[in-house]
Amino acid sequence: KAGVTQTPRYLIKTRGQQVTLSCSPISGHRSVSWYQQTPGQGLQFLFEYFSETQRNKGNFPGRFSGRQFSNSRSEMNVSTLELGDSALYLCASNEGLRDSSSYEQYFGPGTRLTVT
Amino acid sequence: AQTVTQSQPEMSVQEAETVTLSCTYDTSESDYYLFWYKQPPSRQMILVIRQEAYKQQNATENRFSVNFQKAAKSFSLKISDSQLGDAAMYFCAYRSGEVGGSQGNLIFGKGTKLSVKP
Repeated sequence: KAGVTQTPRYLIKTRGQQVTLSCSPISGHRSVSWYQQTPGQGLQFLFEYFSETQRNKGNFPGRFSGRQFSNSRSEMNVSTLELGDSALYLCASNEGLRDSSSYEQYFGPGTRLTVT
Repeated sequence: AQTVTQSQPEMSVQEAETVTLSCTYDTSESDYYLFWYKQPPSRQMILVIRQEAYKQQNATENRFSVNFQKAAKSFSLKISDSQLGDAAMYFCAYRSGEVGGSQGNLIFGKGTKLSVKP
């Protein structure tokens, strides 16, 4: 099976702009989670989508949003970019079931966002 | 709220030697899972090993094993016969297993950067 893919891999944006990142999960996986990774804050959970519905949300401002399509692909959007949004954004997928057999998350390579 | 703490920002080990990375966590939940993830310089996060809280037996995956001390809320990773390819950032992570808990997300520690000397 193909792994989790993320596009684009690198992105440079200007403060105030908006950006959309894309994530394609492993085939058959219905859950997609997004994480922000920075040197200062480490890895922080943004949100999780399952069957096109947001199932879980981290502590991020409303400028960060996401959605999931019927094919389980997910996008996250950041509006009104700030310098502090510069980070590696990681996407992870899993089967999405609530039982113990599907707790492993598979990560994509990430999108490196630089805000200038 | 659950927290994960890795107190060793950096560690170094000689090739073929053994190294132990520390992790402590705090939770009031009884059903949860613990993980060690490896993030090499290429940035792809890879699962190294996992432990279910209800299992007393420590998990083992080839050269990787954990020392899970539930009462002490400690979850250390031991890497035996270290190889150059083990050099990476290692993250300890927690995931709730409880209904209504934050099952969809992982709570990560700050990470430990492991260097392997030839």
